[in-house]
Amino acid sequence: EVQLVQSGAEVKKPGESLKISCKGSGYSFDAYWIGWVRQMPGKGLEWMGIIYPGDSDPKYSPSFQGQVIISADKSTSTASLQWSSLKASDTAMYYCVRTSSSYFPYIDFWGQGTLVTVSS
Amino acid sequence: DIQMTQSPSSLSASVGDRVTITCRASQAISPYLAWFQQKPGKAPRSLIYAASTLQSGVPSKFSGSGSGTDFTLTISSLQPEDFATYYCQQYKSYPPTFGGGTKVEIK
Repeated sequence: EVQLVQSGAEVKKPGESLKISCKGSGYSFDAYWIGWVRQMPGKGLEWMGIIYPGDSDPKYSPSFQGQVIISADKSTSTASLQWSSLKASDTAMYYCVRTSSSYFPYIDFWGQGTLVTVSS
Repeated sequence: DIQMTQSPSSLSASVGDRVTITCRASQAISPYLAWFQQKPGKAPRSLIYAASTLQSGVPSKFSGSGSGTDFTLTISSLQPEDFATYYCQQYKSYPPTFGGGTKVEIK
């Protein structure tokens, strides 16, 4: 059974750093892309970026380029999303997703989400 | 970026109703269109990809159709567990973009 298990909720202050994680199991982790999707409170879904664990080469949405870092460690089947200096506007639910291995990859599985709250 | 527009943004329906949600892309994306369901407080669930192919385990009451720029998601007979918000997403062009969502509520 494919599973994406994300790290737990975080409460941080503005300016702090943070790294959240997503551990894949039940499939060959380095053969599928892992993406990250943001959902701000009461809002819709936004694509942040994607990484192929096989070569750990991330690709960002222009809106998030330079704002976050996406990484992956195939030895631990874990992808990560990190911030160096959080802002209140980073408060959101963050989902990791697995995409298919096809040429035009579609989302097939979702993690349970990690709630990040940034408040002074 | 390709803009995705869903309509309506919300609708009220009764159990047993047939419900149709529309998604329009700002340029041709066929067939690279996916649909997702999100219940309150839960992660989204993948329903359909390639405009009309059901993900594994998704019941056949859900169906997708369309081509070019215009797509629809149909729920043939609405059940209590189907009340949720539905999102479309194009994945032809990077970055993938989502529609604004359609909230299906109980009448």
